[in-house]
Amino acid sequence: EVQLLESGGGLVQPGGSLRLSCAASGFTFSNYAMSWVRQAPGKGLEWVSTISDSGGGTYYADAVKGRFTISRDNSKNTLYLQMNSLRAEDTTVYYCAKCGANGGIDYWGQGILVTVSS
Amino acid sequence: SYELTQPPSVSVSPGQTARITCSGDALPKKYAYWYQQKSGQAPVLVTYEDSKRPSGIPERFSGSSSGTMATLTISGAQVEDEADYYCYSTDSSGNHWVFGGGTKLTVL
Repeated sequence: EVQLLESGGGLVQPGGSLRLSCAASGFTFSNYAMSWVRQAPGKGLEWVSTISDSGGGTYYADAVKGRFTISRDNSKNTLYLQMNSLRAEDTTVYYCAKCGANGGIDYWGQGILVTVSS
Repeated sequence: SYELTQPPSVSVSPGQTARITCSGDALPKKYAYWYQQKSGQAPVLVTYEDSKRPSGIPERFSGSSSGTMATLTISGAQVEDEADYYCYSTDSSGNHWVFGGGTKLTVL
């Protein structure tokens, strides 16, 4: 059974930094691309970033490019999202997601809340 | 930037067929994925690569794509199908993904 468990969320001040982690199990982590998706309260889903299976390819939404960095440690089956220069509009639930063979998401974590506020 | 367009809401009576559309310029060459999200829960994949259905998803859920439009069809919608539905696909580069704005399905 695929399991994705996010951690590292919480309250941070504007301009601050936070690193999210996602512990993956139930599949061969190093064989699949992974993504982060976020959802503001009462709003729709927003793609944030995707990383290739090896980590050699990283892709970002314009809203976070230059501020967020996606990475992975295949030896630890863990996905990361380093978030810098956080803004109030980054206040959302962040989902860790496994990508399928053609890049679309097939499994989701339960999500973790990040609140950016003074 | 690339966009996928969905209707904000669709309403049907129980047992009727619900169709939710998603339009995007790259859909003729890129797969569409559909997700169901119930209140307070993480999304769930209901169809992928335009028309495939994951194991465990009821047969009443089906996907199709033609030209610049992808469609999620729920044949014989049930009250428990009430949820928000999102389409998902990538732009022509294949490197930037996007969700549609979401469609709230009401079954009553």
